[in-house]
Amino acid sequence: GQSLEQPSEVTAVEGAIVQINCTYQTSGFYGLSWYQQHDGGAPTFLSYNGLDGLEETGRFSSFLSRSDSYGYLLLQELQMKDSASYFCAVKKDTGRRALTFGSGTRLQVQP
Amino acid sequence: ETGVTQSPTHLIKTRGQQVTLRCSSQSGHNTVSWYQQALGQGPQFIFQYYREEENGRGNFPPRFSGLQFPNYSSELNVNALELDDSALYLCASSLGVSSGANVLTFGAGSRLTVL
Repeated sequence: GQSLEQPSEVTAVEGAIVQINCTYQTSGFYGLSWYQQHDGGAPTFLSYNGLDGLEETGRFSSFLSRSDSYGYLLLQELQMKDSASYFCAVKKDTGRRALTFGSGTRLQVQP
Repeated sequence: ETGVTQSPTHLIKTRGQQVTLRCSSQSGHNTVSWYQQALGQGPQFIFQYYREEENGRGNFPPRFSGLQFPNYSSELNVNALELDDSALYLCASSLGVSSGANVLTFGAGSRLTVL
């Protein structure tokens, strides 16, 4: 089978740093992506890790460890607008764009 | 550059009916994927179209079918609707099917309610 595990909810305050973890068990693996989705909105791409290590994009960073089947999304200098659901997603097959998504982590940023 | 547009945004059907959802991909994107997102869950892959042919399918029954047109727009058809088909249906477009960052550009979705 295949599964992605991530916490269902995280709460943090403005200006803080939050880490959202994702562990995965899949039959194939080429990379780990992160998407953000505001209520009523479309999922939007945040980051992708095809190799082990840290990828940084502004306030957001993402990490991957293939040997541990684990990754995380790090959000720094939290802003109220960061309140949203965050999904990790595994790319299993290089020949297709299909992604297997986790159930999502709902982040609530408080003032 | 236009993004991914989907129609209709909301619709209500009854069990046993059929529905067609439409998607216009982002300019320059030749691959379209469809996902089903139940409330509080992550998107689930339905199928993908590349060059007007189905290029991958998730764990969905044959009553879920699709089309891709020469202009890369796409349709998702669902026959014999069931209550569990109530969900947000997301269309995502991308460029090509080969390896890479696998960046999908999603539309805002069509929310289907089956009564």
